[in-house]
Amino acid sequence: DAKTTQPTSMDCAEGRAANLPCNHSTISGNEYVYWYRQIHSQGPQYIIHGLKNNETNEMASLIITEDRKSSTLILPHATLRDTAVYYCIVSTMTTDSWGKLQFGAGTQVVVTP
Amino acid sequence: SQTIHQWPATLVQPVGSPLSLECTVEGTSNPNLYWYRQAAGRGLQLLFYSVGIGQISSEVPQNLSASRPQDRQFILSSKKLLLSDSGFYLCAWSVTPGGYTFGSGTRLTVV
Repeated sequence: DAKTTQPTSMDCAEGRAANLPCNHSTISGNEYVYWYRQIHSQGPQYIIHGLKNNETNEMASLIITEDRKSSTLILPHATLRDTAVYYCIVSTMTTDSWGKLQFGAGTQVVVTP
Repeated sequence: SQTIHQWPATLVQPVGSPLSLECTVEGTSNPNLYWYRQAAGRGLQLLFYSVGIGQISSEVPQNLSASRPQDRQFILSSKKLLLSDSGFYLCAWSVTPGGYTFGSGTRLTVV
């Protein structure tokens, strides 16, 4: 699976949009981009995933560049409860490997009042 | 609705003792099941995954083993714990690509 590069940490003001970048320059055509987050001492929580098109759900929006070499997760209105480590992961969906998500170091996001 | 149960929440075990952590899933059939470990201050490491009863794949060589005796039951075991086995153990399931659901985890301290 392709590897990803994320900033180590980010600060965000409460109520503002948080834009989390991720580089995945070696992504292949059949690999999806996934985003999860982990609040301290809890299991990771699925946020969103996409292949080519931009995606939006009740938690966030995912913007994938046309060449698919990078993406941005957008939390539209950050709250204190959004403080967490955010993981960007790329993974294939082949029969024998789909779902084998390999987590990197992620981005520690701190939302401040 | 689908739920995942993982227990115990915390565990302190002496070096050399055995280990058995259990994970069960409700509300779904034939899920993919996963065991992850997170050492203190580190990222999540995939240990084992299973696509069906009795089918276990190991991602890294280690002192641990996994079994899946029933469709919705996944067990992580060790015959003799090492200090390096300490960590936060997480079970997860998925039935469609993309959506993992994680349990609440077991924090294991080997002393």
